[in-house]
Amino acid sequence: AQSVTQPDIHITVSEGASLELRCNYSYGATPYLFWYVQSPGQGLQLLLKYFSGDTLVQGIKGFEAEFKRSQSSFNLRKPSVHWSDAAEYFCAVGASGGSYIPTFGRGTSLIVHP
Amino acid sequence: DTEVTQTPKHLVMGMTNKKSLKCEQHMGHRAMYWYKQKAKKPPELMFVYSYEKLSINESVPSRFSPECPNSSLLNLHLHALQPEDSALYLCASSRQGKYTFGSGTRLTVV
Repeated sequence: AQSVTQPDIHITVSEGASLELRCNYSYGATPYLFWYVQSPGQGLQLLLKYFSGDTLVQGIKGFEAEFKRSQSSFNLRKPSVHWSDAAEYFCAVGASGGSYIPTFGRGTSLIVHP
Repeated sequence: DTEVTQTPKHLVMGMTNKKSLKCEQHMGHRAMYWYKQKAKKPPELMFVYSYEKLSINESVPSRFSPECPNSSLLNLHLHALQPEDSALYLCASSRQGKYTFGSGTRLTVV
């Protein structure tokens, strides 16, 4: 079965600083990987996904993530954080072979200081 | 239409009540899902419907009863819930790995 580890419960950055949120996955084959963002009281919005191909994936809102098979990682990055990026970020892994259903990590809460 | 619409947004119910949560999408997605999310936790999968048939039930108690009357609608019927069932209930639909989530129903059981 697949699983996801987000080692950081909270990350605090200053507005304008760069951001990297860590995600490590466990899956026997090539996984499907996702990053979602959730603002308080809201549903989840897909930032980006990786299924195959180019290992550097561009997403919405200026986010990108890089799939590194050797490290079993799919870290999310943004060069300059805006105050509106403060939210909960979930990494998820889906099983390849058709179902795609994501299994979520515990989430990382991003706090942005002015 | 690229949204998943959930109603109601908030629901307070007693432990003896019967209520239903509704989810609707018009994106032609043939897979629909119910998730439960407790505060500060990730969403947990409850049910999966594929082509209007229940394909996955993650050992959810029978006081939660899903229904998929057509390809656009997904209901979750609630009966005799417990206070620990209070949570955000999220609906999602998907096609080819792209998931769209609704904003959820915030359920409080008193």
